[in-house]
Amino acid sequence: NAGVTQTPKFQVLKTGQSMTLQCAQDMNHEYMSWYRQDPGMGLRLIHYSVGAGITDQGEVPNGYNVSRSTTEDFPLRLLSAAPSQTSVYFCASSFRDRGRRTGELFFGEGSRLTVL
Amino acid sequence: KQEVTQIPAALSVPEGENLVLNCSFTDSAIYNLQWFRQDPGKGLTSLLLIQSSQREQTSGRLNASLDKSSGRSTLYIAASQPGDSATYLCAVLDTGRRALTFGSGTRLQVQP
Repeated sequence: NAGVTQTPKFQVLKTGQSMTLQCAQDMNHEYMSWYRQDPGMGLRLIHYSVGAGITDQGEVPNGYNVSRSTTEDFPLRLLSAAPSQTSVYFCASSFRDRGRRTGELFFGEGSRLTVL
Repeated sequence: KQEVTQIPAALSVPEGENLVLNCSFTDSAIYNLQWFRQDPGKGLTSLLLIQSSQREQTSGRLNASLDKSSGRSTLYIAASQPGDSATYLCAVLDTGRRALTFGSGTRLQVQP
């Protein structure tokens, strides 16, 4: 069982370049989300989705776009990378309405992004 | 806005000790609380999930309690082992089940 899969694991970008971080889950979870983790700041929510076709902003959405065309995939797009977006990005998913398992979050291994 | 605080930020103990990690949150209107473990350079692994109606959950040597009214949770680790060395994070899910708010974590080192 693959769980939550993120690609790429590492990426170096130049300021102004664009890229997409991929996230896929095979657990039929309705809820998917993206977090960034920075030293001293903990994990902060960027965007989330409660189902296919539905997305919403989290705490730090500026500079990022998302879409959810299928239940399985939730890509995160950086339109014009900035050094402030250097971070480790985590994708996570969960059931939204499954009794005691509701809201139990499963994380990918992370994508480490450096913007020069 | 929900805020989650974890104390202490770092902890070093000899092998075999029982220890307690603390988590507090400012808004008691939560759906659930989760404890995670994170090893260096890795993702987060869910350890225990406590629904808002529950008081505690146990898994092996781990026991997590929740006092929603006072905005506190504790993670108790019995008979600590070097393999328990990691960062432990707590997070609370809002009642709308949309956003998880994380604490900054407690970095645990268990000395052999």
